[in-house]
Amino acid sequence: AQSVTQLGSHVSVSEGALVLLRCNYSSSVPPYLFWYVQYPNQGLQLLLKYTSAATLVKGINGFEAEFKKSETSFHLTKPSAHMSDAAEYFCAVSDSGGSNYKLTFGKGTLLTVNP
Amino acid sequence: DAGITQSPRHKVTETGTPVTLRCHQTENHRYMYWYRQDPGHGLRLIHYSYGVKDTDKGEVSDGYSVSRSKTEDFLLTLESATSSQTSVYFCAIRVAGGPDEQFFGPGTRLTVL
Repeated sequence: AQSVTQLGSHVSVSEGALVLLRCNYSSSVPPYLFWYVQYPNQGLQLLLKYTSAATLVKGINGFEAEFKKSETSFHLTKPSAHMSDAAEYFCAVSDSGGSNYKLTFGKGTLLTVNP
Repeated sequence: DAGITQSPRHKVTETGTPVTLRCHQTENHRYMYWYRQDPGHGLRLIHYSYGVKDTDKGEVSDGYSVSRSKTEDFLLTLESATSSQTSVYFCAIRVAGGPDEQFFGPGTRLTVL
């Protein structure tokens, strides 16, 4: 069975500050990992994905994430927060195509950006 | 945009009434999923489909049923709605040929009074 833990249900940063959203996973097979973003009253949008090609993954809007197998982590970062980054972020794991490609999601982290 | 629409977008209903939510896709994707989103729980899988008439349960399937009689439509039915089923429901599809990423519809906000 696979699982995802997102540390911190709410993260608050100042505009221009570093954004760090934490995600740890558990998987019995090499995983695929994803970060999704949800803006208020919208659906989920894929930010970036890890599929074993490269451990540092770059996504949209200046976000990136690093896969660390030894730490079973896939933390999301952005060097400089912008007001438009305020949203809820979800980390998700898949068991590399098994189980009918099902994703398991973390509980989400709400990012607030202060002016 | 993966051509996913959901209907209705908002619905208020009363306890005990049946409710059907529709997910429609225009690109013939094989895999479709229904999730519910609740504060503090993230997204939880209700049911999924891996082809016409091929469906299976997710982690929170009690009180829900699904049907898929054609590729483009995946229906979620609450046979007798309860207040605990008040939630936002999202449909998703998986695009074949890539990794397991899913693309989501805009969601349906359901309130059961």
